[in-house]
Amino acid sequence: DAGVIQSPRHEVTEMGQEVTLRCKPISGHDYLFWYRQTMMRGLELLIYFNNNVPIDDSGMPEDRFSAKMPNASFSNLKIQPSEPRDSAVYFCASSLGVSSTDTQYFGPGTRLTVL
Amino acid sequence: TQLLEQSPQFLSIQEGENLTVYCNSSSVFSSLQWYRQEPGEGPVLLVTVVTGGEVKKLKRLTFQFGDARKDSSLHITAAQPGDTGLYLCAGFSEKLVFGKGTKLTVNP
Repeated sequence: DAGVIQSPRHEVTEMGQEVTLRCKPISGHDYLFWYRQTMMRGLELLIYFNNNVPIDDSGMPEDRFSAKMPNASFSNLKIQPSEPRDSAVYFCASSLGVSSTDTQYFGPGTRLTVL
Repeated sequence: TQLLEQSPQFLSIQEGENLTVYCNSSSVFSSLQWYRQEPGEGPVLLVTVVTGGEVKKLKRLTFQFGDARKDSSLHITAAQPGDTGLYLCAGFSEKLVFGKGTKLTVNP
């Protein structure tokens, strides 16, 4: 299995531009998570999906952020307009379930820099 | 908001030394997981502990879940340069909450 795939690996953009981050979860996993990692705040859950349906988006910072999962093999996270404070590493993860013993498998991340 | 405090934040040691890192909270968790993250990669699960007082060993790594299920520790024996990385603990209640991590550097 190829694991969780994310693209691009690096993104540099200017303030005000739209940014789209992409994720392909592990086949057969029903849950998909988007996280953001910064030095100051650590790894934070932004949103997660179950069977393509958003379940909890309470971590999405503001309306500039949106995420969709049009099918079981693809999700995207959009930031429009982007701001310098959005600079971070964004991770996608997938899992079979969300019990206390389920394993989340993380992708390699997208390092976003907003100038 | 459930918070997990990890200490120390940074740790630099020589190869062969032992070390312990800590993960503490005022909240009770159903389980606690430890992940290791290497530069440019995502976190990778090392272990899940579920029962209060549980101890799990993974080669030179020993994980312990506190009796009250509010805290955990990771002990590494005879550290090696390959152990270098960011160690994250994550507590599960209704969802997974991560600490900020301990950045470990093992110098040869």
